[in-house]
Amino acid sequence: ETVLTQSPGTLSLSPGEGATLSCRASQSVSRSFLAWYQQRPGQAPRLLVYGASSRATGIPDRFSGSGSGTDFTLTISRLEPEDFAVYYCQQYGTSPLTFGPGTKVDIK
Amino acid sequence: QLQLQESGPGLVKPSETLSLTCTVSGGSISTSPYYWAWIRQSPGKGLEWIGSFYYTGRFYYNPSLESRVTMSADTSKNRFFLQLTSVTAADTAVYFCARQRNGWEFDYWGQGTLVTVSS
Repeated sequence: ETVLTQSPGTLSLSPGEGATLSCRASQSVSRSFLAWYQQRPGQAPRLLVYGASSRATGIPDRFSGSGSGTDFTLTISRLEPEDFAVYYCQQYGTSPLTFGPGTKVDIK
Repeated sequence: QLQLQESGPGLVKPSETLSLTCTVSGGSISTSPYYWAWIRQSPGKGLEWIGSFYYTGRFYYNPSLESRVTMSADTSKNRFFLQLTSVTAADTAVYFCARQRNGWEFDYWGQGTLVTVSS
């Protein structure tokens, strides 16, 4: 099973600042089959990025994904009030599909 | 707009079977190249993929749950189902159904339903 580790656990930032979230895999994620999701309280996760760097439909361009192999990054260029949420990475290169434990981005 | 809605009992007794339904509207579960999945979220284990299926009859389960999980579908009613047997308190979670592109990422989710296992 591919274990995903996310860091930091919590990121405290102000609106307008940039955020860098990390996701590290216990083994190489084949074909960069990695996605990022945003989850706001009481809501389902929302797909932000797939294939490590492709934005999902309707996702603002302040969100960008990068990385390959075992190290992946989600960058939010300028935080908007609605971006304060929990972010999860998920790999689908090997079965079982697995998710990371999440990074909470909260307001400083 | 595609919508998914989970339904089922919110309370299940230990050792019994958890049964949930996902009703899909705005699109067909018999459409290529989409898979349909169940995922759960608990405070202790985070997000956990339970299993996925393709309308032609292929099913994939998480090995950690495979011995207790059965997924099925009613394509005529555009619904799919989850059964989880011999539940314990560890199965208490919010259960989501979701659409999965090519068996990969999850692009549409239901709102989730909380299932509590307790006597």
